[in-house]
This record gives sequence, structure tokens and C-alpha cells, in this order.
Amino acid sequence: NAGVTQTPKFQVLKTGQSMTLQCAQDMNHEYMSWYRQDPGMGLRLIHYSVGAGITDQGEVPNGYNVSRSTTEDFPLRLLSAAPSQTSVYFCASRLGVGTGELFFGEGSRLTVL
Amino acid sequence: AQSVTQLGSHVSVSEGALVLLRCNYSSSVPPYLFWYVQYPNQGLQLLLKYTSAATLVKGINGFEAEFKKSETSFHLTKPSAHMSDAAEYFCAVKGGSSNTGKLIFGQGTTLQVKP
Repeated sequence: NAGVTQTPKFQVLKTGQSMTLQCAQDMNHEYMSWYRQDPGMGLRLIHYSVGAGITDQGEVPNGYNVSRSTTEDFPLRLLSAAPSQTSVYFCASRLGVGTGELFFGEGSRLTVL
Repeated sequence: AQSVTQLGSHVSVSEGALVLLRCNYSSSVPPYLFWYVQYPNQGLQLLLKYTSAATLVKGINGFEAEFKKSETSFHLTKPSAHMSDAAEYFCAVKGGSSNTGKLIFGQGTTLQVKP
């Protein structure tokens, strides 16, 4: 069982470049989300989705776009990367919007120069 | 809005000693609370959760947490630390309205276990 798969695991960008972090889950989970992890800040919610075609903003959405065209995939787009977006990004999914376990991918480490 | 605060960014204990990681929450509605663990270079895994049933919650790997409404706390404990418990621990609260599914995390506490 693959669970939540994130690609790439590592990426280096120059300021102003764009890129997409991919997230796919094979558990038929309705709920998917993106977090960024920074030292001393814990995990902060960027965007989330409660089902295909439905997305909403989290705590720190500026500079990021998302879409949810299928149940399985939830890509995170950086349109014009900035050094402040250097971080470790985690995708997580859950069966529904209730209190079940949130399953995390292994993370994508992004450095913006 | 719901939030959690973890007291102490680093905790160091000797192997075999009691582990106590502190978490306080703020919530205008009855909270749903969680503890997650992150091992180096991995994603987070659920340790345990409180969903308004028993106030003492038992989780995996010998961890447990007690929900105390009067103290707005949900501290994580383990009677005897193992070297394998060294990791970063996150307290979290389910945020927003009931149909958003958002999970709001604390800042994290790094647990060091000394031999």
C-alpha cells in the first residue's frame, strides 16, 4: 500500500521560478491538505480540500495555489518562488472531515535561492 | 479560533525516566485533541487522540495523555523512556467548523533520550 506519495523529495529553485509539488494518495480519502514545516513554527496549514473540486485556504496560503480535479491528486503550485518559501512541505490525507487519523507523506524539502 | 501551545521546545530525559510533554489548548467548543510523532526525515504518525470519550487516552508505544478541561491541558506521558522514543512530538487540535477537517498543530517538542 503506497499511502501518500509526494514528489519530488528535494528541489532547489531560484527566486521567481515556478514549480509544482505533487501529492497522490491511493486510499480513496476525501480530505487532503498541505502543510509547511519550519523550525520553531511547527506545521502550518497552507491549503486543504474536502473533496474533488473543493479547496480552501489555511493559515498561510499566500504564494501558493492548489486544485483538486481528482480524489487521488492534490498538487501544490508555487507561481513565483521566494526565499521565504524555503521549507519542508508535507501532504496529508484523511478519509473524511472527522477525527480520523491524518496520514502524512514523507515530505518535500524545497530550497529557494 | 482553536489553538495549541506546547511548553518547551526541547525536553531531555534519561533512558528509563518518566517522559512528560506539555500541551495546552484554547478552544471555544469542546476540543478534539491529538498527539503526533515525527521521526527524523519522516512524516508524522498518530500517537493518540481525544474525542470526548474517556479523559485518559492510551496510544501506541506505551504513551498516554490525559484531557483536563479545568486546566485546558492534554499532556503526553510515558512511564519509562526508551532510546527509540527520541523524536519530535506535536500536539494538535481540530480547528474550524465541524465540516472543514482542519488540524492545527503546536510548535513541536523535541525529545532527547540519554543513555
